Amino acid sequence: AQSVSQHNHHVILSEAASLELGCNYSYGGTVNLFWYVQYPGQHLQLLLKYFSGDPLVKGIKGFEAEFIKSKFSFNLRKPSVQWSDTAEYFCAVSNTGGFKTIFGAGTRLFVKA
Amino acid sequence: GAGVSQSPSNKVTEKGKDVELRCDPISGHTALYWYRQSLGQGLEFLIYFQGNSAPDKSGLPSDRFSAERTGGSVSTLTIQRTQQEDSAVYLCASSPEGQASYGYTFGSGTRLTVV
Repeated sequence: AQSVSQHNHHVILSEAASLELGCNYSYGGTVNLFWYVQYPGQHLQLLLKYFSGDPLVKGIKGFEAEFIKSKFSFNLRKPSVQWSDTAEYFCAVSNTGGFKTIFGAGTRLFVKA
Repeated sequence: GAGVSQSPSNKVTEKGKDVELRCDPISGHTALYWYRQSLGQGLEFLIYFQGNSAPDKSGLPSDRFSAERTGGSVSTLTIQRTQQEDSAVYLCASSPEGQASYGYTFGSGTRLTVV
């Protein structure tokens, strides 16, 4: 069955610490990969996405993610987090050309000022 | 409109009552999706509309759930005879075409509480 697994449900970091959120997927065929973010009191919004080409994708606010096909992974990284990065982060995957997106359970990140 | 609009933002209903949730997608977006987010869970796919094609209802959890999309724009999700397990945030999203690769624009959701 198609699935997305996020390794950590809760992460607590201090400002300036580095961030890596794990995401693994189980999906047949070629895929599109996404990270969405939900800031407190706001709606879900797209952070970055991978279609093809360079497996290192850069998104907004200094975030990046690397697609490693052999590991079925799409981990999210940021070198130095800020208090304003406190949010819930969702990894998601869809088949290339498909319409349905499968979401992970989310990781809640809390950044201490 | 500028974004995906959902109403109401909050709904408290008694068990056994019917509820209707509304979604107004971004103008020009042909694809519309409904997802459900329960506490501690990821987003659960419910239904997908693309243009005038028949919707994909494969994610609807029971026959108490139905949805329609009128004129290729506004969509209504109806839950009949609500149960406590229906309590969740119901999210609507739209995208320019019927491929998920574009990414979705989400609304703020409707928080449904069944008491």
